[in-house]
Amino acid sequence: AQSVTQLGSHVSVSEGALVLLRCNYSSSVPPYLFWYVQYPNQGLQLLLKYTSAATLVKGINGFEAEFKKSETSFHLTKPSAHMSDAAEYFCAVVNAGNMLTFGGGTRLMVKP
Amino acid sequence: NAGVTQTPKFQVLKTGQSMTLQCAQDMNHNSMYWYRQDPGMGLRLIYYSASEGTTDKGEVPNGYNVSRLNKREFSLRLESAAPSQTSVYFCASSPRGGATDTQYFGPGTRLTVL
Repeated sequence: AQSVTQLGSHVSVSEGALVLLRCNYSSSVPPYLFWYVQYPNQGLQLLLKYTSAATLVKGINGFEAEFKKSETSFHLTKPSAHMSDAAEYFCAVVNAGNMLTFGGGTRLMVKP
Repeated sequence: NAGVTQTPKFQVLKTGQSMTLQCAQDMNHNSMYWYRQDPGMGLRLIYYSASEGTTDKGEVPNGYNVSRLNKREFSLRLESAAPSQTSVYFCASSPRGGATDTQYFGPGTRLTVL
């Protein structure tokens, strides 16, 4: 069965520092992978998705993620954090039923 | 362009009460979904509707029923609320329901069952 593990339920970075949010997946088939972001008191919105084309995927707001099959990882990065990046981030994989299985989420805090 | 709307935003119920959460989308999407979000567990799929007239169970359907009223609207009903159903509920829609489809989420309904 497909599953997603997000290491670190809370990550804190200083403004201007590198953001790295970790996601590891398990899948018996070539995966489709997503990162969604949830700003306070809002629904989720898509940051980026991997659909078996380029392994380095660029998303909105300067975020990108690299699909690494050998490591079963799809980590999310941003070179320089902004205060506005404070939010909860969810990694998700498409499961055998063509539905999304979400990780537990990582709350990103940005310190001034 | 409203996207996905949900009502109500907040609700408090007593154990055993019933209620219906409403969801509507104005993007002409075929597929709609209901999720619940609990701390540390991400989002879990309750029910989905691949197209108008069809509904299917997701990961955690027990205690819930759904109705796909038309292409725009997809409601979630709790017949006899339990404290374990205290959660934030999100409705989402996607154009075709395919594996690579982007899902568009509503703002959520925060439900507390006492």
